[in-house]
Amino acid sequence: KAGVTQTPRYLIKTRGQQVTLSCSPISGHRSVSWYQQTPGQGLQFLFEYFSETQRNKGNFPGRFSGRQFSNSRSEMNVSTLELGDSALYLCASSEQPSSTDTQYFGPGTRLTVL
Amino acid sequence: DQQVKQNSPSLSVQEGRISILNCDYTNSMFDYFLWYKKYPAEGPTFLISISSIKDKNEDGRFTVFLNKSAKHLSLHIVPSQPGDSAVYFCAASATNAGKSTFGDGTTLTVKP
Repeated sequence: KAGVTQTPRYLIKTRGQQVTLSCSPISGHRSVSWYQQTPGQGLQFLFEYFSETQRNKGNFPGRFSGRQFSNSRSEMNVSTLELGDSALYLCASSEQPSSTDTQYFGPGTRLTVL
Repeated sequence: DQQVKQNSPSLSVQEGRISILNCDYTNSMFDYFLWYKKYPAEGPTFLISISSIKDKNEDGRFTVFLNKSAKHLSLHIVPSQPGDSAVYFCAASATNAGKSTFGDGTTLTVKP
């Protein structure tokens, strides 16, 4: 099976712009989660989707949003970008939303905000 | 409030020796714990997990120990190999409470 894919891999934006990142989960996986990784901050949970419904949301401002399509592909959007949004954004998929279901991560999208 | 903490940002060990990575958590509702390994330019990959009903889980060179009373878990790698050099993330989750909470990671360097 193909792994989790994320596009684009690298992105450069300026403050105030918005950005959309895409994630295609492993075939058959219906749960998709998004994380933000910044130096010294580890992986911060953004949100989780299952069957097109947001199940959980992390402690991020409303500028961060996401959605999931019927084919389980997911997008996350960040509006009004700030310098502090520069990070590696990781997507992970699993078969079920269970907390014990192993997550498989994509390579991430490196976002740089200038 | 950081619920999962990896207090050592980095660890360096000699090839063939034991590597011990530590993780502490504060949320007593956590009942499932995982370790992930991450190489540069790649996403984290699952390494090993342990349920709160156990205190040890072993998989080849990797063993995870859980001390519930101390809210502490550790990952032992024996023997350590240069290919083990990576960032290791500890993660914890609670049943029916969504996906994992991750620590900040520990960078392990195994010297030949």
